[in-house]
Amino acid sequence: GEDVEQSLFLSVREGDSSVINCTYTDSSSTYLYWYKQEPGAGLQLLTYIFSNMDMKQDQRLTVLLNKKDKHLSLRIADTQTGDSAIYFCAEKKLSGGKLIFGQGTELSVKP
Amino acid sequence: DTEVTQTPKHLVMGMTNKKSLKCEQHMGHRAMYWYKQKAKKPPELMFVYSYEKLSINESVPSRFSPECPNSSLLNLHLHALQPEDSALYLCASSQDPAGDTDTQYFGPGTRLTVL
Repeated sequence: GEDVEQSLFLSVREGDSSVINCTYTDSSSTYLYWYKQEPGAGLQLLTYIFSNMDMKQDQRLTVLLNKKDKHLSLRIADTQTGDSAIYFCAEKKLSGGKLIFGQGTELSVKP
Repeated sequence: DTEVTQTPKHLVMGMTNKKSLKCEQHMGHRAMYWYKQKAKKPPELMFVYSYEKLSINESVPSRFSPECPNSSLLNLHLHALQPEDSALYLCASSQDPAGDTDTQYFGPGTRLTVL
C-alpha cells in the first residue's frame, strides 16, 4: 500500500524536545521529507533524508530513519512557540516521483 | 533562492464565474505541480507538468484546467466551480521530476472560496 501514517496531535512545553513519528510502507522510496505548515501558509521544506542514511542533523532538527521498521522521526530540540504548526512526513516514490504525504501532526507548544 | 510565488493570495468567486490562479518560479525547475488542500489535511496532487507538458492528471474534474505557458509559469483556470472546491490551492516546483533526488518546493497558496 501507499500509506504514510502519523499521529495527529502532539503537545509539549516550551524548551522541551518534541519528537514527531511517521511510518511508511514503500521500501523502494528514495527520499523522505519533513514539511512544516503554519496556519494559513504553504508548506515549508524543513529537511529530508536519503533512504540509505539513518540520521541527519540540522541545527535544532534531528531526523532518524529506521529502514528495517520503515519508521521516520523528527526531533526538535528546545521547542519554541514559533514551532507550533502542522508537520507532514512525505515519501517520494521511486517510480513516477509522486510525494505521498502523511496526515500531518499538529504540534502545540505551550509557554 | 527557493521561492515559488502564487497570486492571488485570496479569491472569492461565484459558481458561474471564470477565474485563474497563477504560479511562478525562477529557480530553473522543469516540473511544476498543482495541489488542493482542505483544512488540516495533507495536500492532494491534481496535476504535474514536466518540461512544460502535462504528465499527470489525477482524474481532476474538467472545471479545473491547467496551463503551462512556459517553464516558469503555471496557471490553473477555474470555471463553474462548486462550493466543495473551496480549499487552499498550492503550487510546487522541482528541478527534475525524473530524478531520484528531486525535491518539491511549495508556494504560499491561494485560499479559494466558492459561494
